[in-house]
Amino acid sequence: GAVVSQHPSRVICKSGTSVKIECRSLDFQATTMFWYRQFPKQSLMLMATSNEGSKATYEQGVEKDKFLINHASLTLSTLTVTSAHPEDSSFYICSAREKGIQGSNSPLHFGNGTRLTVT
Amino acid sequence: AQSVTQLGSHVSVSEGALVLLRCNYSSSVPPYLFWYVQYPNQGLQLLLKYTTGATLVKGINGFEAEFKKSETSFHLTKPSAHMSDAAEYFCAVRVWVGTALIFGKGTTLSVSS
Repeated sequence: GAVVSQHPSRVICKSGTSVKIECRSLDFQATTMFWYRQFPKQSLMLMATSNEGSKATYEQGVEKDKFLINHASLTLSTLTVTSAHPEDSSFYICSAREKGIQGSNSPLHFGNGTRLTVT
Repeated sequence: AQSVTQLGSHVSVSEGALVLLRCNYSSSVPPYLFWYVQYPNQGLQLLLKYTTGATLVKGINGFEAEFKKSETSFHLTKPSAHMSDAAEYFCAVRVWVGTALIFGKGTTLSVSS
């Protein structure tokens, strides 16, 4: 089946530094990538939606200058947390929509998530 | 706007007992509904989904869910719980095929021996 490879799975960084998270679709092309964050014991909250070759659309309350999203190709999207602070510590998950499958069966494939800890 | 409400943040059952996880949705148009399971520090695994057609949907690991439009519900059930079912379960809704999933707050399922 379709696989989304998300790296790194865990990262610890110091406050003020930047961290890049990658999501790659290994055997399909992803027209749309959704980025979520999940706080402990809470649900997944949509941060932004990115379409290949376009600027990302951010949800209300998400700082676009802090969470930089790049979706330059159909197989790679990145989320960069800039000038990270302890409150950015969270679990980040990407979800890719597969190109070419239309209608209600258009699947979404999830990465395994990245645990970010900012010290 | 679409939303999902999962009743009960924590459900505890004994091994072999019926599992019932409740989900109600709000949508102005016919929704696509999903159940996902998440194990600690892992991503999401799709259990089952309803798009169109048969309202009783069977998924993996013996789970099933029934879409009831009149009740705006999509409850998840399993006849007999197994220890390995202990995890976090999320109900989600999607209205248009190109949009993101909107998740409920999740229900933690505990299974005791």
